[in-house]
Amino acid sequence: EVQLVESGGGLVQPGGSLRLSCAASGFTFSSYWMSWVRQAPGKGLEWVANIKQDGSEKYYVDSVKGRFTISRDNAKNSLYLQMNSLRAEDTAVYYCARPKVPAAMLNWFDPWGQGTLVTVSS
Amino acid sequence: DIQMTQSPSSLSASVGDRVTITCRASQSISSYLNWYQQKPGKAPKLLIYAASSLQSGVPSRFSGSGSGTDFTLTISSLQPEDFATYYCQQSYSTPVTFGQGTRLEIK
Repeated sequence: EVQLVESGGGLVQPGGSLRLSCAASGFTFSSYWMSWVRQAPGKGLEWVANIKQDGSEKYYVDSVKGRFTISRDNAKNSLYLQMNSLRAEDTAVYYCARPKVPAAMLNWFDPWGQGTLVTVSS
Repeated sequence: DIQMTQSPSSLSASVGDRVTITCRASQSISSYLNWYQQKPGKAPKLLIYAASSLQSGVPSRFSGSGSGTDFTLTISSLQPEDFATYYCQQSYSTPVTFGQGTRLEIK
């Protein structure tokens, strides 16, 4: 079964840091671009970042550039999101998502993880 | 960035109704348009990809159409489990972007 499981969310103060993880199983992780997508409470979906299969290309939404870093460890079938200088507006459920088609940078997302909640508040 | 605009933002309907949700892109995206269903507390679920292709396991009452800038998601006969929020997403260019969502409620 193809599965993505996020972890690492929690409560953090403004200006703080947090590292999210996504454990992948059931597919050849190293063959896929991977993405993080977030959803603020009661709001819509926002793509945050993605990373190429070998980690050589990374892209970010403007609002997180310079603060968030996406990375991966293909040996551990894991995706990460290092979040620094966190702001209240970063409060959201963060989903790990895989494109349906191997090697596709832009594609529809399937599957998604269950999400992990990040709350930025003092 | 390509802006995706859904209409309506919310919709009340009854079981058995035919429902149509519209998604408009700020520029042409060919057929690079996907639809998701999301229920409270759950991750989005892929329904339709490439504008009109039905994801495996999704009931045939769901259908998608359109190309260029204008797209529709149609549910031919609403079932109780279809009451949820629906999002469109363009996968034509980076950054991928989503519509603001359409909340489908029971009348």
